[in-house]
Amino acid sequence: QVQLVESGGGVVQPGRSLRLSCAASGFTFSSFGFHWVRQAPGKGLEWVAVLWSDGSKEYYADSVKGRFTISRDKSKNTLYLQINSLRAEDTAVYYCARDNYGDYVMPFQYAMDLWGQGTTVTVSS
Amino acid sequence: SYELTQPPSVSVSPGQTARITCSGDALSRKYTYWYQRKPGQAPILVMYKDNERPSGIPERFSGSGSGTTVTLTISGVQAEDEADYYCQSAGSSSSYVVFGAGTKLTVL
Repeated sequence: QVQLVESGGGVVQPGRSLRLSCAASGFTFSSFGFHWVRQAPGKGLEWVAVLWSDGSKEYYADSVKGRFTISRDKSKNTLYLQINSLRAEDTAVYYCARDNYGDYVMPFQYAMDLWGQGTTVTVSS
Repeated sequence: SYELTQPPSVSVSPGQTARITCSGDALSRKYTYWYQRKPGQAPILVMYKDNERPSGIPERFSGSGSGTTVTLTISGVQAEDEADYYCQSAGSSSSYVVFGAGTKLTVL
């Protein structure tokens, strides 16, 4: 079954760290790039980060640059998002999404064709 | 980065045509992608590269563009089409993605 399943969310105090995971199955994990996208309560979708399929590039939204790190373990078919120095404004549902159907002539234009159900991060003291 | 502007809401009766717009300075030079999101469900890609439908998306969904405004059109709207719709495009380099604020489609 082709799917992405996120985990690792929870209630965390401001300033602490958290690592989110996204387990992929049903397709060749290493052939695709991946994104993290979040949705804060009552807000729309906000792109967070992308990791290229060859692992050579990663990019971040300005709002998370320097605090978030996207990575993957190909042996485990798992994508990660390391979140440091958590802030109240990081409270959101975090989705991982597979990059596909974009335009891959430089500069790349990304699209996301498979999404997980999301994991909730709540930053509160 | 830049912004994509969508109307907060669109309402149509079943069987009518819904048009959801997305405006942005770069849209004349960049592709637009559209996602459908129903409460409690993961987003679904319903349109890519302005007017291409992924497999499994009904033919009543179509996309078009004119200058800096693109439009997602849903012909013969059904109750199951009620959802939030987000447009998405890319930055000037490969370094970021931008989403519109979303449009809530209500089927009356």
